[in-house]
Amino acid sequence: DSGVTQTPKHLITATGQRVTLRCSPRSGDLSVYWYQQSLDQGLQFLIQYYNGEERAKGNILERFSAQQFPDLHSELNLSSLELGDSALYFCASSGQGREIGNEQFFGPGTRLTVL
Amino acid sequence: GQSLEQPSEVTAVEGAIVQINCTYQTSGFYGLSWYQQHDGGAPTFLSYNALDGLEETGRFSSFLSRSDSYGYLLLQELQMKDSASYFCAVITGTASKLTFGTGTRLQVTL
Repeated sequence: DSGVTQTPKHLITATGQRVTLRCSPRSGDLSVYWYQQSLDQGLQFLIQYYNGEERAKGNILERFSAQQFPDLHSELNLSSLELGDSALYFCASSGQGREIGNEQFFGPGTRLTVL
Repeated sequence: GQSLEQPSEVTAVEGAIVQINCTYQTSGFYGLSWYQQHDGGAPTFLSYNALDGLEETGRFSSFLSRSDSYGYLLLQELQMKDSASYFCAVITGTASKLTFGTGTRLQVTL
């Protein structure tokens, strides 16, 4: 158990819909990262937050957005869903987030299926 | 952009040694990390190299050559539980942004 929690575990929805994925980092971790893992694209970095502020952005679509709240939990919002958004979404956290190469602790993931 | 190459599959016998190579092309390189992922599970951190040389952690070692843009993960005394996917990931930029390779599926056989 990494100490990172994600809800829900599974999510099935229809095209065009909007969903919110939730992540609680390990106690004391200030950095939260979101990743998407699909069979054809592998593990892709989406976005990082550090202590409530966006710190780095990867291949995140404009239909996707995220935020980190004062209690450090984070939410990833996916809207206008398409079939291709079906994937496993991981959240990870790390300690201070300023040390390069910090070990990242991954949550169990949310499996999103868009029908 | 960044690109990483690693073999897609490796098979080895229990008790043997296996090396998984990773070559990368990137700008703003800080270091190379390795993660393990079992089927249906989350990636777990194995090692991080920022400087050239070998880092050893138990049965696992990781090597980096910055001049060759190359690294490898060495797994010794293989056990059945080591069957998993192994990802190299480069850290770039001022944030701890990870860019993952496509992963190497390791199968350990009897």
